[in-house]
Amino acid sequence: SQQGEEDPQALSIQEGENATMNCSYKTSINNLQWYRQNSGRGLVHLILIRSNEREKHSGRLRVTLDTSKKSSSLLITASRAADTASYFCATDDSGGYQKVTFGTGTKLQVIP
Amino acid sequence: GAVVSQHPSRVICKSGTSVKIECRSLDFQATTMFWYRQFPKQSLMLMATSNEGSKATYEQGVEKDKFLINHASLTLSTLTVTSAHPEDSSFYICSASKQGGISTQHFGDGTRLSIL
Repeated sequence: SQQGEEDPQALSIQEGENATMNCSYKTSINNLQWYRQNSGRGLVHLILIRSNEREKHSGRLRVTLDTSKKSSSLLITASRAADTASYFCATDDSGGYQKVTFGTGTKLQVIP
Repeated sequence: GAVVSQHPSRVICKSGTSVKIECRSLDFQATTMFWYRQFPKQSLMLMATSNEGSKATYEQGVEKDKFLINHASLTLSTLTVTSAHPEDSSFYICSASKQGGISTQHFGDGTRLSIL
């Protein structure tokens, strides 16, 4: 299965601290994406990094990709209570139809 | 842009009822829509991929006669859970990809289905 595994499964930090989540996957990819899900809601796309990119930034988000290790990390800097959510990585499926496979997710709690 | 509306947000019904869930892309054309199922504290499990004007592609283990998918237009896909039973209770989420775009998906807010 291509499904990514995320580490840690749960993370609790104080507001203002940085949060780092990791994702590992099994096969070659075209790109990797990170999504966020608030409890009981749909997913919101955060950032996409292509297989030929090593690092990407968007606001307080920093994503790295190491294709040799088949891993990615998501760093949220200066966390806020509103960042509390589950975060999922998603890898594309080269079989077509723009299909992606989601990782197991990291549940982040930011304590005010 | 890229707003996806999913309706209803919550359904509670008796066992044996059929339930229809709608997924609409409001401000873009979605050649492809996806239907996911999510159990508590778990990741999203892809059920099927829906392409406008053609039959849906179901993932292994998903009963196509149980979960009927229709994608009649570039902005609407529906999932009908037929003769629902308590084990079908779950959180169902749809997503849509823009026509010609890469694999970024835009998600609806999900439907919480509870079968009594």
